[in-house]
Parts: sequence; C-alpha cells; structure tokens
Amino acid sequence: SQTIHQWPATLVQPVGSPLSLECTVEGTSNPNLYWYRQAAGRGLQLLFYSVGIGQISSEVPQNLSASRPQDRQFILSSKKLLLSDSGFYLCAWSVPQQETQYFGPGTRLLVL
Amino acid sequence: GDSVTQMEGPVTLSEEAFLTINCTYTATGYPSLFWYVQYPGEGLQLLLKATKADDKGSNKGFEATYRKETTSFHLEKGSVQVSDSAVYFCARFTGGFKTIFGAGTRLFVKA
Repeated sequence: SQTIHQWPATLVQPVGSPLSLECTVEGTSNPNLYWYRQAAGRGLQLLFYSVGIGQISSEVPQNLSASRPQDRQFILSSKKLLLSDSGFYLCAWSVPQQETQYFGPGTRLLVL
Repeated sequence: GDSVTQMEGPVTLSEEAFLTINCTYTATGYPSLFWYVQYPGEGLQLLLKATKADDKGSNKGFEATYRKETTSFHLEKGSVQVSDSAVYFCARFTGGFKTIFGAGTRLFVKA
C-alpha cells in the first residue's frame, strides 16, 4: 500500500532563517506531487505541483521554492522565512491521470 | 474563473442532529466533485466523491449528490456523532493536474 510521510511534524523558526520541509511517498511510482499551505482558519492554497523529477510548477509567487530531486521526494524550501510563512504545510500525491489526492500528515510551521 | 464556494463555519450541532454543509461550484463541463475531511492536527483524507451528474457519493453515513442544474454538491448526514467533529472541504477537479478546494467548514458536534 502507499504511504506518504512529511517531516518535521512541527517547526518553530525565527524570521530570516532558512526552511526545508521534506515529503516522501512510498509504494507508487511517478506520482504527481503537491505542496499546499493552510493558514490558520483558512482553506488550502496550492503552492507547487510536480509531474516528474525536476519538473516544478509554481502557483503563487513568493519566497518559497520546491524541488523534486527523486521520483518520490518533494522538498519545500525558503532562503529567508517571513512571519507570513507561518501555517500548516501539506504534501499530497496523486496517480497520474487520476483525480483523488492523498495527503500527508502535515508540518506545522511557526515563524517568530 | 473556476471556483468552489462552501458555507462558512463553524457549524455547531448536538449529537444525533442532521447535518448539511452547502457547496456550489463554477465550471465548464462536468468536473468530478469531492468532499475531503480533516480531523484535528491531521492532513486531509477523501470522504466521498461523484464523477458525473446525478451521482451520489457516500461513506461513513455521509452523502452528497452531484446536481448539475444547481451546480451543487451539498454534504449531508442524518445523525452526527462527536467523532465527526472536523473541517470539511468541498473540491472539484480541474482536469490536468489540479484540484480546487473550498475554504473549508469547521464542524463541532457536542455530546
């Protein structure tokens, strides 16, 4: 069966520090991968998606970036965090050509 | 553009009450529609889906019917439990690679 992992689960970082969040998927090949942000009390904002290694599409211009160095690994990064980057970050995957997305447990980021 | 609109929360109900969470969408064509649920501190998980007009998705006592004439996909449950307390997201597939999510509706069920 397929599983999706995210780490860390919780992160507290100072403003201006770098960020690296990791997501890995097991039990499937060539998944579509997604990064979402969920701000407190708000809906999901799609940040990035990827349909293959090295292929990243950005939905929202901001100080975040994403990379896919391996087929089942998706990384969200920032060189300098802002207060507004605080939120709950969710990674998801889907089978290409299929509609359902499967979400990881999320990373709660607090920027102080 | 394409969008999903769902009723604002929070919704607070007593146990065994009837639940309705409204969802409407805009789209060209007939996209697949979904309800996802997010329990406290967790990621989202698929609750139910419908892929064409008049389809009814159902799971765990929840139901939603794809109504093309009203472009709606309202979520219902006849008798809610405390364990149903969560945030519910309505969503539609855009084709291609993306899904559009509504803002979410938080449900509190009191014992």
